[in-house]
Amino acid sequence: EVQLVESGGGLVKPGGSLRLSCAASGFTFSSYSMNWVRQAPGKGLEWVSSISSSSSYIYYADSVKGRFTISRDNAKNSLYLQMNSLRAEDTAVYYCARDVTGELPELFDYWGQGTLVTVSS
Amino acid sequence: SYVLTQPPSVSVAPGKTARITCGGNNIGSKSVHWYQQKPGQAPVLVVYDDSDRPSGIPERFSGSNSGNTATLTISRVEAGDEADYYCQVWDSSSDHWVFGGGTKLTVL
Repeated sequence: EVQLVESGGGLVKPGGSLRLSCAASGFTFSSYSMNWVRQAPGKGLEWVSSISSSSSYIYYADSVKGRFTISRDNAKNSLYLQMNSLRAEDTAVYYCARDVTGELPELFDYWGQGTLVTVSS
Repeated sequence: SYVLTQPPSVSVAPGKTARITCGGNNIGSKSVHWYQQKPGQAPVLVVYDDSDRPSGIPERFSGSNSGNTATLTISRVEAGDEADYYCQVWDSSSDHWVFGGGTKLTVL
Protein backbone atom coordinates (compact mmCIF):
# COMPACT_ATOMS: atom_id res chain seq x y z
CA GLU A 1 0.00 0.00 0.00
CA VAL A 2 1.34 3.39 -1.01
CA GLN A 3 1.80 5.69 1.97
CA LEU A 4 3.01 9.27 2.12
CA VAL A 5 3.45 10.80 5.57
CA GLU A 6 4.35 14.47 5.93
CA SER A 7 5.99 15.93 9.02
CA GLY A 8 7.81 19.02 10.15
CA GLY A 9 4.99 21.53 10.15
CA GLY A 10 4.40 23.95 12.97
CA LEU A 11 4.32 27.57 14.04
CA VAL A 12 7.12 29.81 12.80
CA LYS A 13 7.68 33.57 12.86
CA PRO A 14 7.78 35.63 9.67
CA GLY A 15 11.24 35.47 8.19
CA GLY A 16 11.90 32.12 9.80
CA SER A 17 12.68 28.72 8.31
CA LEU A 18 11.16 25.28 8.40
CA ARG A 19 11.97 21.93 6.81
CA LEU A 20 9.17 19.62 5.80
CA SER A 21 9.65 15.91 5.24
CA CYS A 22 7.58 13.31 3.45
CA ALA A 23 8.25 9.65 4.25
CA ALA A 24 7.26 7.30 1.45
CA SER A 25 6.52 3.59 1.64
CA GLY A 26 4.78 0.85 -0.32
CA PHE A 27 6.44 1.64 -3.65
CA THR A 28 9.86 2.10 -5.24
CA PHE A 29 10.40 5.72 -4.27
CA SER A 30 13.40 6.21 -6.54
CA SER A 31 11.27 5.56 -9.63
CA TYR A 32 8.78 8.37 -9.18
CA SER A 33 8.71 12.14 -9.39
CA MET A 34 7.37 13.85 -6.29
CA ASN A 35 5.57 17.09 -5.60
CA TRP A 36 4.57 19.54 -2.90
CA VAL A 37 1.14 21.17 -3.03
CA ARG A 38 -0.26 23.55 -0.43
CA GLN A 39 -3.67 24.74 0.61
CA ALA A 40 -4.20 27.91 2.62
CA PRO A 41 -7.04 27.79 5.14
CA GLY A 42 -10.36 27.83 3.30
CA LYS A 43 -8.64 28.22 -0.08
CA GLY A 44 -7.87 26.08 -3.09
CA LEU A 45 -4.93 23.93 -4.04
CA GLU A 46 -1.68 25.61 -5.04
CA TRP A 47 1.22 23.70 -6.58
CA VAL A 48 4.54 24.51 -4.88
CA SER A 49 7.33 22.39 -6.34
CA SER A 50 8.21 19.20 -8.21
CA ILE A 51 11.30 17.00 -8.43
CA SER A 52 11.97 14.15 -10.81
CA SER A 53 13.06 10.70 -9.69
CA SER A 54 16.77 11.36 -10.09
CA SER A 55 16.50 15.07 -9.18
CA SER A 56 17.33 15.95 -12.78
CA TYR A 57 14.27 18.15 -13.12
CA ILE A 58 13.19 20.59 -10.42
CA TYR A 59 10.39 23.13 -10.77
CA TYR A 60 9.06 25.83 -8.48
CA ALA A 61 5.99 28.03 -8.37
CA ASP A 62 6.83 31.69 -8.83
CA SER A 63 5.50 32.43 -5.34
CA VAL A 64 8.20 30.33 -3.66
CA LYS A 65 11.11 30.41 -6.10
CA GLY A 66 14.28 31.59 -4.40
CA ARG A 67 12.88 30.90 -0.91
CA PHE A 68 11.98 27.20 -0.99
CA THR A 69 14.20 24.26 -1.96
CA ILE A 70 12.89 20.81 -2.83
CA SER A 71 15.12 17.78 -2.46
CA ARG A 72 14.94 14.03 -2.02
CA ASP A 73 16.96 11.19 -0.57
CA ASN A 74 16.16 8.03 -2.49
CA ALA A 75 18.16 5.92 -0.05
CA LYS A 76 15.88 7.10 2.76
CA ASN A 77 12.66 7.11 0.70
CA SER A 78 12.15 10.72 1.69
CA LEU A 79 11.14 14.00 0.11
CA TYR A 80 11.96 17.37 1.65
CA LEU A 81 10.97 21.00 1.37
CA GLN A 82 13.28 23.57 2.91
CA MET A 83 11.32 26.76 3.44
CA ASN A 84 13.20 29.99 4.16
CA SER A 85 12.13 33.61 4.51
CA LEU A 86 8.64 32.50 5.41
CA ARG A 87 5.73 34.89 5.06
CA ALA A 88 2.23 34.97 6.47
CA GLU A 89 0.90 33.99 3.05
CA ASP A 90 2.85 30.72 3.24
CA THR A 91 0.47 29.56 5.97
CA ALA A 92 -1.15 26.41 4.62
CA VAL A 93 -1.46 22.68 4.82
CA TYR A 94 1.40 21.23 2.78
CA TYR A 95 0.78 17.97 0.95
CA CYS A 96 3.30 15.73 -0.74
CA ALA A 97 2.01 13.92 -3.79
CA ARG A 98 3.42 11.24 -6.06
CA ASP A 99 3.54 11.57 -9.82
CA VAL A 100 2.78 8.49 -11.91
CA THR A 101 6.10 8.75 -13.74
CA GLY A 102 9.71 9.37 -12.87
CA GLU A 103 10.68 12.12 -15.25
CA LEU A 104 8.28 14.35 -17.16
CA PRO A 105 5.24 15.59 -15.19
CA GLU A 106 2.11 13.52 -15.73
CA LEU A 107 -0.38 13.58 -12.85
CA PHE A 108 -0.59 13.03 -9.10
CA ASP A 109 -1.93 9.63 -8.13
CA TYR A 110 -1.28 9.50 -4.38
CA TRP A 111 -1.33 12.23 -1.77
CA GLY A 112 -0.31 12.39 1.87
CA GLN A 113 -2.57 13.74 4.59
CA GLY A 114 -0.67 17.00 4.89
CA THR A 115 1.18 18.97 7.55
CA LEU A 116 0.13 22.42 8.72
CA VAL A 117 2.54 25.33 8.55
CA THR A 118 1.53 28.51 10.33
CA VAL A 119 3.57 31.66 9.86
CA SER A 120 2.69 34.20 12.51
CA SER A 121 4.34 36.46 15.04
CA SER B 1 0.94 32.38 -16.78
CA TYR B 2 -1.75 29.85 -17.63
CA VAL B 3 -5.05 30.27 -15.82
CA LEU B 4 -7.80 27.72 -15.20
CA THR B 5 -11.25 29.07 -14.36
CA GLN B 6 -13.87 27.05 -12.49
CA PRO B 7 -17.28 28.12 -11.17
CA PRO B 8 -17.10 28.53 -7.38
CA SER B 9 -20.14 26.38 -6.80
CA VAL B 10 -22.50 23.93 -8.46
CA SER B 11 -25.68 22.55 -6.92
CA VAL B 12 -27.55 19.46 -8.00
CA ALA B 13 -30.33 17.26 -6.70
CA PRO B 14 -29.62 13.63 -5.84
CA GLY B 15 -29.92 11.36 -8.85
CA LYS B 16 -29.35 14.17 -11.32
CA THR B 17 -26.27 15.02 -13.35
CA ALA B 18 -23.66 17.56 -12.25
CA ARG B 19 -21.34 19.24 -14.71
CA ILE B 20 -18.29 21.15 -13.50
CA THR B 21 -16.40 23.18 -16.05
CA CYS B 22 -12.76 24.21 -16.24
CA GLY B 23 -11.92 26.95 -18.68
CA GLY B 24 -8.50 27.71 -20.10
CA ASN B 25 -6.97 29.04 -23.29
CA ASN B 26 -6.94 26.14 -25.77
CA ILE B 27 -7.25 23.70 -22.88
CA GLY B 28 -8.31 21.08 -25.40
CA SER B 29 -4.66 20.73 -26.36
CA LYS B 30 -3.69 19.76 -22.81
CA SER B 31 -4.35 16.74 -20.61
CA VAL B 32 -6.74 17.65 -17.82
CA HIS B 33 -6.91 15.88 -14.49
CA TRP B 34 -9.65 16.19 -11.87
CA TYR B 35 -9.39 15.78 -8.10
CA GLN B 36 -12.07 15.42 -5.47
CA GLN B 37 -11.44 16.77 -1.99
CA LYS B 38 -13.76 16.23 0.94
CA PRO B 39 -13.48 18.34 4.09
CA GLY B 40 -10.41 17.52 6.16
CA GLN B 41 -9.12 15.02 3.62
CA ALA B 42 -6.43 14.93 0.98
CA PRO B 43 -7.41 15.24 -2.68
CA VAL B 44 -8.26 12.10 -4.61
CA LEU B 45 -7.80 11.68 -8.36
CA VAL B 46 -11.16 10.97 -10.02
CA VAL B 47 -10.45 11.57 -13.72
CA TYR B 48 -7.14 11.80 -15.56
CA ASP B 49 -6.06 12.53 -19.12
CA ASP B 50 -9.38 14.27 -19.82
CA SER B 51 -11.62 11.23 -19.52
CA ASP B 52 -9.93 8.20 -17.94
CA ARG B 53 -10.89 6.89 -14.52
CA PRO B 54 -8.49 5.45 -11.94
CA SER B 55 -9.40 2.05 -10.59
CA GLY B 56 -11.97 2.28 -7.84
CA ILE B 57 -13.63 5.43 -9.17
CA PRO B 58 -17.28 4.84 -10.13
CA GLU B 59 -18.30 4.98 -13.78
CA ARG B 60 -20.60 7.83 -12.80
CA PHE B 61 -17.54 10.08 -13.04
CA SER B 62 -16.55 11.04 -16.56
CA GLY B 63 -14.73 13.84 -18.32
CA SER B 64 -14.37 15.60 -21.63
CA ASN B 65 -12.11 18.28 -23.03
CA SER B 66 -12.40 20.38 -26.17
CA GLY B 67 -11.61 23.88 -27.27
CA ASN B 68 -11.39 26.17 -24.27
CA THR B 69 -13.40 24.06 -21.80
CA ALA B 70 -12.92 20.79 -19.96
CA THR B 71 -15.87 19.27 -18.13
CA LEU B 72 -16.21 16.84 -15.27
CA THR B 73 -19.57 15.09 -15.35
CA ILE B 74 -20.99 13.23 -12.40
CA SER B 75 -24.07 11.17 -13.24
CA ARG B 76 -26.67 9.97 -10.76
CA VAL B 77 -25.23 12.23 -8.09
CA GLU B 78 -25.16 10.88 -4.53
CA ALA B 79 -24.86 12.68 -1.23
CA GLY B 80 -21.35 11.27 -0.88
CA ASP B 81 -20.23 13.17 -3.98
CA GLU B 82 -20.50 16.45 -2.11
CA ALA B 83 -16.97 17.84 -2.16
CA ASP B 84 -14.63 20.36 -3.73
CA TYR B 85 -13.43 19.50 -7.22
CA TYR B 86 -10.24 20.82 -8.83
CA CYS B 87 -9.00 20.62 -12.40
CA GLN B 88 -5.27 20.52 -13.13
CA VAL B 89 -3.00 20.81 -16.15
CA TRP B 90 0.71 20.94 -16.81
CA ASP B 91 1.69 24.18 -18.52
CA SER B 92 4.74 23.26 -20.57
CA SER B 93 5.40 26.88 -21.56
CA SER B 94 6.20 27.79 -17.96
CA ASP B 95 7.03 24.34 -16.55
CA HIS B 96 4.36 24.85 -13.92
CA TRP B 97 1.50 22.76 -12.66
CA VAL B 98 -1.73 24.77 -12.61
CA PHE B 99 -4.85 24.10 -10.56
CA GLY B 100 -8.24 25.62 -11.10
CA GLY B 101 -9.71 27.58 -8.24
CA GLY B 102 -11.99 24.71 -7.27
CA THR B 103 -15.73 24.11 -7.41
CA LYS B 104 -17.83 23.24 -4.40
CA LEU B 105 -20.42 20.65 -5.35
CA THR B 106 -23.52 20.79 -3.17
CA VAL B 107 -26.04 17.98 -3.25
CA LEU B 108 -29.43 19.46 -2.46
